[in-house]
Amino acid sequence: ILNVEQSPQSLHVQEGDSTNFTCSFPSSNFYALHWYRWETAKSPEALFVMTLNGDEKKKGRISATLNTKEGYSYLYIKGSQPEDSATYLCAQGAQKLVFGQGTRLTINP
Amino acid sequence: EADIYQTPRYLVIGTGKKITLECSQTMGHDKMYWYQQDPGMELHLIHYSYGVNSTEKGDLSSESTVSRIRTEHFPLTLESARPSHTSQYLCATRGWDSYEQYFGPGTRLTVT
Repeated sequence: ILNVEQSPQSLHVQEGDSTNFTCSFPSSNFYALHWYRWETAKSPEALFVMTLNGDEKKKGRISATLNTKEGYSYLYIKGSQPEDSATYLCAQGAQKLVFGQGTRLTINP
Repeated sequence: EADIYQTPRYLVIGTGKKITLECSQTMGHDKMYWYQQDPGMELHLIHYSYGVNSTEKGDLSSESTVSRIRTEHFPLTLESARPSHTSQYLCATRGWDSYEQYFGPGTRLTVT
């Protein structure tokens, strides 16, 4: 089983500040890297799926980068808003996803 | 609207009972998955299916069983629930043309 590590485990950010967190994964046998946002009592929502080294994806104020050679991905949130409060999960794989423990983000108004 | 449904959302049940967790989808996807998340831990794949009459065990050993008689349904069964089965169970689907998996809202199971 692959080990996917996320850091930090939790993060408190002031509204309006920008933040980022990390996902690291084994670089061998890489297929795809997934980022999900998971709000309490809701379904995990897919943010990005990245497959190529150097991929950069953006959705509104959220963006992600991928380095498959060194085995890491960053997720950036610009100008945090209270609705960004959630757990952010990363996962590696194509068919069978292997998840990290997540980063729990809390935005303080 | 295409969606993934899981019932029940919450279940508290006594030891030894038989449980079936339902997952149904209107996405039209062939691939379906069950993930388990113990409190404070990662999501782990416990079962998956590539289509009707196809089921495989995931990386995390589980005492549960699954069936796939219809494309839309992928129920998970525990024959005799134990407190160690207390966990959150999430169902997901995937289409043929993308790596993206779509998740249901989950079932939070507590076995007393």
